[in-house]
Amino acid sequence: QVQLQESGPGLVKPSQTLSLTCTVSGGSISSGDYYWSWIRQPPGKGLEWIGYIYYSGSTYYNPSLKSRVTISVDTSKNQFSLKLSSVTAADTAVYYCARIQLGILDYWGQGTLVTVSS
Amino acid sequence: AIQLTQSPSSLSASVGDRVTITCRASQGISSALAWYQQKPGKAPKLLIYDASSLESGVPSRFSGSGSGTDFTLTISSLQPEDFATYYCQQFNSYPLFTFGPGTKVDIK
Repeated sequence: QVQLQESGPGLVKPSQTLSLTCTVSGGSISSGDYYWSWIRQPPGKGLEWIGYIYYSGSTYYNPSLKSRVTISVDTSKNQFSLKLSSVTAADTAVYYCARIQLGILDYWGQGTLVTVSS
Repeated sequence: AIQLTQSPSSLSASVGDRVTITCRASQGISSALAWYQQKPGKAPKLLIYDASSLESGVPSRFSGSGSGTDFTLTISSLQPEDFATYYCQQFNSYPLFTFGPGTKVDIK
């Protein structure tokens, strides 16, 4: 059974960079069948897709966040990571990592709340 | 970009009721639609993919239908554990995916 687990600071100061890591267990991130994604959800609001990465390093980002987002992969650790720069209070959200199979998000992490505040 | 709308945005229903949620795409997406259930404090869970295919382990009271621009999620007999928020998601416009705004189902 594939499992994903987000980790990283729960509090980030405005203008700084948010950094999160997703560790995948029960399957290899290097499998060519999947993409690996980040999604976020502001408190009380809906889901917003941030972007995704293939094990080779190919990425695609939501155009609305593209200028501030970097997603990377470390196949040796079976992990992928998110960096979001120049954060503001509007970036406060629960951040989820998930696996994409043929466009469908079939496995999700439990999510981690990141608060942007001084 | 393809936009998704859901209706209603919220509904109140009783255990045993038949519940229908609609998702409409701003342009045709064939059958490239999935439905997710999210309970408070939890990650979304995949229910339906390819518009009408039931994910393994999901109860058969859930069903999906539609193609093109109009899609429906139906719960045939609402159970206490079904009170949650439901999201549709399209994956036709690869590489860009989008979610609907969600429909909250609560207890009448």
